[in-house]
Parts: sequence; C-alpha cells; structure tokens
Amino acid sequence: QVQLVESGGGVVQPGRSLRLSCAASGFTFSSSGMHWVRQAPGKGLEWLAVIWYDGSNKYYADSVKGRFTISRDNSKNTVYLQMSSLRAEDTAVYYCAKGAPLGMSGYFDYWGQGTLVTVSS
Amino acid sequence: QSALTQPPSASGTPGQRVTISCSGSSSNIGSNTVNWYQQFPGTAPKLLIYSNDQRPSGVPDRFSGSKSGTSASLAISGLQSEDAADYYCAAWDDNLNGVVFGGGTKLTVL
Repeated sequence: QVQLVESGGGVVQPGRSLRLSCAASGFTFSSSGMHWVRQAPGKGLEWLAVIWYDGSNKYYADSVKGRFTISRDNSKNTVYLQMSSLRAEDTAVYYCAKGAPLGMSGYFDYWGQGTLVTVSS
Repeated sequence: QSALTQPPSASGTPGQRVTISCSGSSSNIGSNTVNWYQQFPGTAPKLLIYSNDQRPSGVPDRFSGSKSGTSASLAISGLQSEDAADYYCAAWDDNLNGVVFGGGTKLTVL
C-alpha cells in the first residue's frame, strides 16, 4: 500500500534552517510529482512547493520562494524540503503529498501523516 | 486571504443534502480541474473528489462534485454524523504557477 512518511520536524529557532524528508513506498515514486503542503495551528491548508517526477521542474508558493527548496532522490524514493531563514509564521504541520507526474494540478491522492515544525526562540 | 473562496461553515441534519461552494477565477477554476479534500481533526487530508466530479475508489456516492465556469461545488447527500469534518477545494493557478486552496469549510451535522 502507498505510504508517505515525513520526518525531520521539531523545534527550531527563528532564522535557522531545517530539512524535512518524506520517504515513499508502495508506488512508482519516479513517476509521480511530489508536493509539500502545510497547515498552521487552527488554520487551513497552504500549498508550498511541487517537484516534477524527474526533478526537472519545481514551483513554489510566493510565501516560501527563495527560502525553501524542494528536491528529490528517486534512487531513495524520498522527497525533501530544505527550509531556511525560518520565521515564527512557518510554524505548522508539514505534509508531503503525491500528485500527478507533472504535478501541475491540485490533485493529491495520498498524503503523509505530517511532521510538526515549531519556530520559536 | 485564500485564492479560492469557501464559506467558513456549513451545517445540516442527518439525511439532508448539503452543498459547499468554492469560488475562484479564470486562472484557477476557470481553466483547471477542481479537487476536494476531507480532513478530520488531527489527521491528514483525504482526497474526496478529483477532476471536478470523479470519486476515488472507496468514497461513497453520497459525495459528488461539479464545476461551472469559475465556481465549483461539493454536495453531500444523505448526510451522516461521520461527515462532520473540514472540507477544502484546490486547483492549479496558471498565474501563480502553483496550487491554491480554499480557506476550508467546517461541516457540522446537527
């Protein structure tokens, strides 16, 4: 069965960096676009970034452009989110989600369980 | 302010039919398909409707979706207590080159 397992969350100080990982299994990872979506406490869903199935294209939300970088390693079935210059408003549960191969749609057929990132001094 | 507009809340009694609207623009709903997600507290969202009106395997046919122009709707018929959850619409936005979500609708079953 499809599984997406995020890791790497925790408490980090403002201005510091953190890297999230999402390990995938149960499907052909190298054929799927992968997304990161976050949800601040008590708030709605916010899309952050997508990477195409082959890593050739990436798109970001304006709120994280220039600070966050999405990448993938198809040999490890893993997608990453490198977060830098973290701010208090980045505090959220971060989900990875499986999408269409080119990822250019709001279609996420599987989600991970999420990992909590808390930005606080 | 979300790019897609949903009512913050909706409610109905068991057995009723409830609809949740999602309003967008020509760059998102007007030119791309709409997807709907159901989320229970403390859990990850789940795909409920994709490509405007398609149900993934396992989703009851009480849930249906539609789209017209720059708006979309999710309908739940034969409302059940277990349908109480948050519902989100989502679509790709050609101007933003990214996915936009609605702000979410909290459904209460009275």
